[in-house]
Amino acid sequence: AQSVSQHNHHVILSEAASLELGCNYSYGGTVNLFWYVQYPGQHLQLLLKYFSGDPLVKGIKGFEAEFIKSKFSFNLRKPSVQWSDTAEYFCAVNGGSQGNLIFGKGTKLSVKP
Amino acid sequence: GAVVSQHPSWVICKSGTSVKIECRSLDFQATTMFWYRQFPKQSLMLMATSNEGSKATYEQGVEKDKFLINHASLTLSTLTVTSAHPEDSSFYICSARSGSSLAGFRETQYFGPGTRLLVL
Repeated sequence: AQSVSQHNHHVILSEAASLELGCNYSYGGTVNLFWYVQYPGQHLQLLLKYFSGDPLVKGIKGFEAEFIKSKFSFNLRKPSVQWSDTAEYFCAVNGGSQGNLIFGKGTKLSVKP
Repeated sequence: GAVVSQHPSWVICKSGTSVKIECRSLDFQATTMFWYRQFPKQSLMLMATSNEGSKATYEQGVEKDKFLINHASLTLSTLTVTSAHPEDSSFYICSARSGSSLAGFRETQYFGPGTRLLVL
């Protein structure tokens, strides 16, 4: 079955530190990959997505992610985090039988001012 | 663009009552809407997929008679939790996917803000 793994449950960083959140997926077909962010008390928002082409994808708010097919990975990165980046981050793959998204368990990011 | 709303945002009800949650795509036509459930500290789990004008497809383990889904129009899907019990307390989130033929837009899902249900 398709699955998405996010290995970091909770990451704590100081402002200006660099961020990398891991995401690995298991799915044999063509994948569409997504990162969503959920700020406290708010709904899921799309950060970035990969469908095809350049494996380095740039999203909103300075985030980027790199699709490495050989590693089945789609890690999220940001060179310098801000306190406002405190949120929960979900990696997802569009691999469900209904075209639905399959989500990882999420990584909570806490940025200390 | 691509805004999805849910109503209500939270609801408290007595055990045995039914609760209806609405999911609307405000600025696009959603041929497919998904209903997810999120437990505390866990990921979103798909409950069912609804396509406009047809019956919903439920995931294994989800009772279709308990979680009634109606997708009557291209902008509205409803989830009714019938005879709710405390174990149904959860965060219910819908997402909508456009039927647009534009590459990329068709595959992207847009999420509603969620509905927190508490059954006493």
